[in-house]
Amino acid sequence: GAVVSQHPSWVICKSGTSVKIECRSLDFQATTMFWYRQFPKQSLMLMATSNEGSKATYEQGVEKDKFLINHASLTLSTLTVTSAHPEDSSFYICSAGTDREGTEAFFGQGTRLTVV
Amino acid sequence: AQSVAQPEDQVNVAEGNPLTVKCTYSVSGNPYLFWYVQYPNRGLQFLLKYITGDNLVKGSYGFEAEFNKSQTSFHLKKPSALVSDSALYFCAVRVNTGGFKTIFGAGTRLFVKA
Repeated sequence: GAVVSQHPSWVICKSGTSVKIECRSLDFQATTMFWYRQFPKQSLMLMATSNEGSKATYEQGVEKDKFLINHASLTLSTLTVTSAHPEDSSFYICSAGTDREGTEAFFGQGTRLTVV
Repeated sequence: AQSVAQPEDQVNVAEGNPLTVKCTYSVSGNPYLFWYVQYPNRGLQFLLKYITGDNLVKGSYGFEAEFNKSQTSFHLKKPSALVSDSALYFCAVRVNTGGFKTIFGAGTRLFVKA
């Protein structure tokens, strides 16, 4: 299957700092990328959907000024957690897909963010 | 509303026995259904999908799933479980809401005992 690379795999940052997470589709052009957040032993919660060259669409309850998403190219999307706080600590997963009907999305390996 | 339900938080099975992980869905239009597996601190790996055609879909690692339209179900099955199958399994449906996005079930943790 297609490969989606997410970096870093884990990061520890101080409260109040910002952290950037990258998501790259390595062998296909992803028209759409998705960012999820997963709490321990829970399902994936969709945070936002980003299409290349346009503003991200955020799910209800997700602060767009806190979770900045940039999708500058068909192979790269970034999520920046601004002014991170301990409650932002979580597992963040990106996925990439195309708009071809019936195709599956491919997932990055996830990023474990710990804010201390 | 479009949704996916996985009624079991956890499934326990002995190695060598058949396993079933249940999933039901509620979507408008034709469902595009998927199963993914997640190992600790990892992203999701695609197992199989149903788009159209045969109701029994075969996927990776010996898994299969049966699409049942009348029961709106898409249960994941494997004839003989392995200890290495122990993981978190997600059923998902891909919907078009002016762009495709994936809706996940809550996940079912599978424990296979030796």
